[in-house]
Amino acid sequence: DTAVSQTPKYLVTQMGNDKSIKCEQNLGHDTMYWYKQDSKKFLKIMFSYNNKELIINETVPNRFSPKSPDKAHLNLHINSLELGDSAVYFCASSQPGAGGAHGELFFGEGSRLTVL
Amino acid sequence: AQSVTQLDSHVSVSEGTPVLLRCNYSSSYSPSLFWYVQHPNKGLQLLLKYTSAATLVKGINGFEAEFKKSETSFHLTKPSAHMSDAAEYFCVVTLYNTDKLIFGTGTRLQVFP
Repeated sequence: DTAVSQTPKYLVTQMGNDKSIKCEQNLGHDTMYWYKQDSKKFLKIMFSYNNKELIINETVPNRFSPKSPDKAHLNLHINSLELGDSAVYFCASSQPGAGGAHGELFFGEGSRLTVL
Repeated sequence: AQSVTQLDSHVSVSEGTPVLLRCNYSSSYSPSLFWYVQHPNKGLQLLLKYTSAATLVKGINGFEAEFKKSETSFHLTKPSAHMSDAAEYFCVVTLYNTDKLIFGTGTRLQVFP
């Protein structure tokens, strides 16, 4: 049973379109994340939600809007797609460790977005 | 500010020989440090983590890392490489008092037969 699952795995679309990526975790974690990995494998956090509340919002264009209907789901909607949005988007979840230490991140397998 | 530097973008070894992937960190506070592995077309998986307990940390698949405060290093090692170890490896540090992780730029490990 997959712990963190995201769909679709591949997404090819034209500039200017709107698209969504869905993420679900069955680990019972309180915190979920979206990360973007560029073509050079550099990973950067985009958003973090704790129990449906937004807690990290990096300098991401407001064309990107996360939505968390419940603590097991964190979806990413992207409006007016641009060429530079092409990347692999990873969803992840975690639970705080002892003493509030950062817990292990469990990642989905990624959604490869290609904007033409 | 916290940061990590992975000193090698690519490392190539022969199967059965030792692996060394280097990571230096910069932190004004006692950091938490992690190594994650990413196999092709997969998500990242935690190999091991250091959170101010033992300085020698053992992880999965025979990997280990040693936290050296005097050298600000957290190098990843394995005595004998296996073909299945070929992957991208990321050294990661937590940003003090936040929920953020700062990822290094990654080291691609190639293992030749």
